[in-house]
Amino acid sequence: GAVVSQHPSRVICKSGTSVKIECRSLDFQATTMFWYRQFPKQSLMLMATSNEGSKATYEQGVEKDKFLINHASLTLSTLTVTSAHPEDSSFYICSARIGAVGNTIYFGEGSWLTVV
Amino acid sequence: GEDVEQSLFLSVREGDSSVINCTYTDSSSTYLYWYKQEPGAGLQLLTYIFSNMDMKQDKRLTVLLNKKDKHLSLRIADTQTGDSAIYFCAEDKYSTLTFGKGTMLLVSP
Repeated sequence: GAVVSQHPSRVICKSGTSVKIECRSLDFQATTMFWYRQFPKQSLMLMATSNEGSKATYEQGVEKDKFLINHASLTLSTLTVTSAHPEDSSFYICSARIGAVGNTIYFGEGSWLTVV
Repeated sequence: GEDVEQSLFLSVREGDSSVINCTYTDSSSTYLYWYKQEPGAGLQLLTYIFSNMDMKQDKRLTVLLNKKDKHLSLRIADTQTGDSAIYFCAEDKYSTLTFGKGTMLLVSP
């Protein structure tokens, strides 16, 4: 079964509104979670690394004020796309590492965001 | 250039073996992964190999690692139509994964 769960799997929102995507680790504590964005027929682009209890580390070129990441507990990280625009429409995937560095990283099922 | 490179497309017939190749650039990577992505879905971990290993076999999957050439391959034996998907290799460095662009595997009956 899944070890990392994302919700919602699909969401449609109006341009200018905000939308929140949740990423939960099931049955394990994830001190670090990762958020990726995937464009159609392309690879995954790391957006940010989310650390429990501290600010997320964003990759170069990712707007931290637009993509708000909160990692309030050891099992939950959220990505909020603020003031969404059609170009934000994409597939967003989170992942979490079980245990220490070097251990396996599992991915959520992904969330399709469509901004109309 | 890209950190991780893969061929973009592979077509095989059902029952044949598939070999998907990947090259990476960072010799300090500790783990190398293969993920499978079906249309509209997230990534499914298929297998991984630690950098001090040359080969790992898991049922129909065989991973070969040539650390000298920084070359990784995934062999799928007796390929089935359900194996049709995009396969990503990824290297684990600095606590994050760097992905290749993915290889689309198409299995025809």
